[in-house]
Amino acid sequence: AQSVTQPDIHITVSEGASLELRCNYSYGATPYLFWYVQSPGQGLQLLLKYFSGDTLVQGIKGFEAEFKRSQSSFNLRKPSVHWSDAAEYFCAVGPGYSTLTFGKGTMLLVSP
Amino acid sequence: GAGVSQSPRYKVAKRGQDVALRCDPISGHVSLFWYQQALGQGPEFLTYFQNEAQLDKSGLPSDRFFAERPEGSVSTLKIQRTQQEDSAVYLCASSLRGANTGELFFGEGSRLTVL
Repeated sequence: AQSVTQPDIHITVSEGASLELRCNYSYGATPYLFWYVQSPGQGLQLLLKYFSGDTLVQGIKGFEAEFKRSQSSFNLRKPSVHWSDAAEYFCAVGPGYSTLTFGKGTMLLVSP
Repeated sequence: GAGVSQSPRYKVAKRGQDVALRCDPISGHVSLFWYQQALGQGPEFLTYFQNEAQLDKSGLPSDRFFAERPEGSVSTLKIQRTQQEDSAVYLCASSLRGANTGELFFGEGSRLTVL
């Protein structure tokens, strides 16, 4: 069965500092991997995705993620966090775009 | 509309009542998905439609949950005899193409509270 683990429930980062959110997955075949962001009262928005090819993928809002097959990880990074990045972030895995398995999420807090 | 629209945004039901949640997908989108997001959890897949056909309902938690999309556009998720454990945000998403081939666009969700 497929699963996603996001080990950090909450993370606090100072504005302007770098960010890394961890994601580990379990999947029997070549996974499709995603990061979504959810702001309060908003729907989930796709930040980036990985299917194949270059293991470092770029997304919207200055985010990037690196797929490491040997570690079954797909960590999300941003070099400089802005206050508007405060939100909940979800990692997801699936056979494609749709029937996804999500992690429990990491809440990002940005301090001034 | 420009995005996926869900109604009602908030619903309070007494235990045992039936509820219906509506989803208006982005116009022209072939695929429609329902997810359930309990408090403090990530979304969990419930069911998927391609046009009017329900191709996967493996995530529906019990036979009290029923979804339909009769004309291949608007979808309704119905929950009969609601229980407290049904309290969650119900997310609808649509995709331009068929299963597993197109980006999902999510609505803001319908928050159901069962008392």
